[in-house]
Amino acid sequence: AQTVTQSQPEMSVQEAETVTLSCTYDTSESDYYLFWYKQPPSRQMILVIRQEAYKQQNATENRFSVNFQKAAKSFSLKISDSQLGDAAMYFCAYSWSQGAQKLVFGQGTRLTINP
Amino acid sequence: GAVVSQHPSWVICKSGTSVKIECRSLDFQATTMFWYRQFPKQSLMLMATSNEGSKATYEQGVEKDKFLINHASLTLSTLTVTSAHPEDSSFYICSASFRGLAYYNEQFFGPGTRLTVL
Repeated sequence: AQTVTQSQPEMSVQEAETVTLSCTYDTSESDYYLFWYKQPPSRQMILVIRQEAYKQQNATENRFSVNFQKAAKSFSLKISDSQLGDAAMYFCAYSWSQGAQKLVFGQGTRLTINP
Repeated sequence: GAVVSQHPSWVICKSGTSVKIECRSLDFQATTMFWYRQFPKQSLMLMATSNEGSKATYEQGVEKDKFLINHASLTLSTLTVTSAHPEDSSFYICSASFRGLAYYNEQFFGPGTRLTVL
């Protein structure tokens, strides 16, 4: 079964600094999708970034970028120029490319931004 | 675009009663809807997947008779917690997705419903 592991329950970073959140996953599939979702105190899940496994290029969205290492099954999220509004729970998630589109979530990492 | 709503946002009920939670896709037709449960300070646990007009597919360990899911249209899915007990108290989140070139496998989440069973 596919599993997603986030080994950092909590992380903190100074405002304007850079932080990297780790995620590893286990799958026997060659094609799949990976996501980072943000859940602020409002508890609304917000998509931060998406990566298709068949794409070698790392996805980027403004201050957010990923380091996708397919062979190592690693999918880390880098947040540059951290802002107070980035404080939230961050969940890494895996989805199959075919069939059911369901998501498998990691345990989450709580990110604190220190002013 | 791609907005999903949930109603109610918060509900308190007595033990033994049933509670219905609605999930609506407001500006798109959702081919698939998902229901998650989230305990405090924990991750989201998928309960079931539903496709319009067909029976929901429940994850292992989720009681089908306890959590009734109806996906009657492409914009509405409902979760009914039957004979609720205090251990059913949780945060329930729905999400919706549709097949499309730009949105492969992306899910759009509702704001969640907090259920408290007394």
